[in-house]
Amino acid sequence: GQNIDQPTEMTATEGAIVQINCTYQTSGFNGLFWYQQHAGEAPTFLSYNVLDGLEEKGRFSSFLSRSKGYSYLLLKELQMKDSASYLCALVRAGSYQLTFGKGTKLSVIP
Amino acid sequence: DAMVIQNPRYQVTQFGKPVTLSCSQTLNHNVMYWYQQKSSQAPKLLFHYYDKDFNNEADTPDNFQSRRPNTSFCFLDIRSPGLGDAAMYLCATSRDGFREIQYFGAGTRLSVL
Repeated sequence: GQNIDQPTEMTATEGAIVQINCTYQTSGFNGLFWYQQHAGEAPTFLSYNVLDGLEEKGRFSSFLSRSKGYSYLLLKELQMKDSASYLCALVRAGSYQLTFGKGTKLSVIP
Repeated sequence: DAMVIQNPRYQVTQFGKPVTLSCSQTLNHNVMYWYQQKSSQAPKLLFHYYDKDFNNEADTPDNFQSRRPNTSFCFLDIRSPGLGDAAMYLCATSRDGFREIQYFGAGTRLSVL
């Protein structure tokens, strides 16, 4: 099975940097996704890591350490519109189904 | 332009009254997924179609069924909705399967009275 843990809530200030962590225990997986979900809306793709290391995409970066069962999403130059839930999701080994974490609700304050 | 379209956005049904949720896609993707998401919880995969092949998750209740009459459309049928089935239902697609990005519809929020 797969257990995915993320902090439930975080608060950060506009313009700041925030790191959202995701830890997991799994018997095997093929990669890790991060999705953003605004309240009442669909999740939208942010990033995908299959190898260890950092993937950078503009203000958003995602890091993966497979040996440590750990990933994080780094958001720089926070904007008010970044207030949303951030979902970590694993691709199960031998398949392509996603298993989602419960998400981290980020509140950006002025 | 929306690429994964779910109708309706809000659906109200009565306890035990069958209800169908619909999803269509303009991406010509092979795979379509249905997820259930309850408040403050992770989306939970119910089942998916790879083309016409139906794949049910082991813990999806029999009360939930799905149909995919063609590439573009997929339906979620709830045969006898219970109060516990009130949730957001998300449809998603991916081009193929392995390591592909999933594109989500806006969801249908189901209320059961």
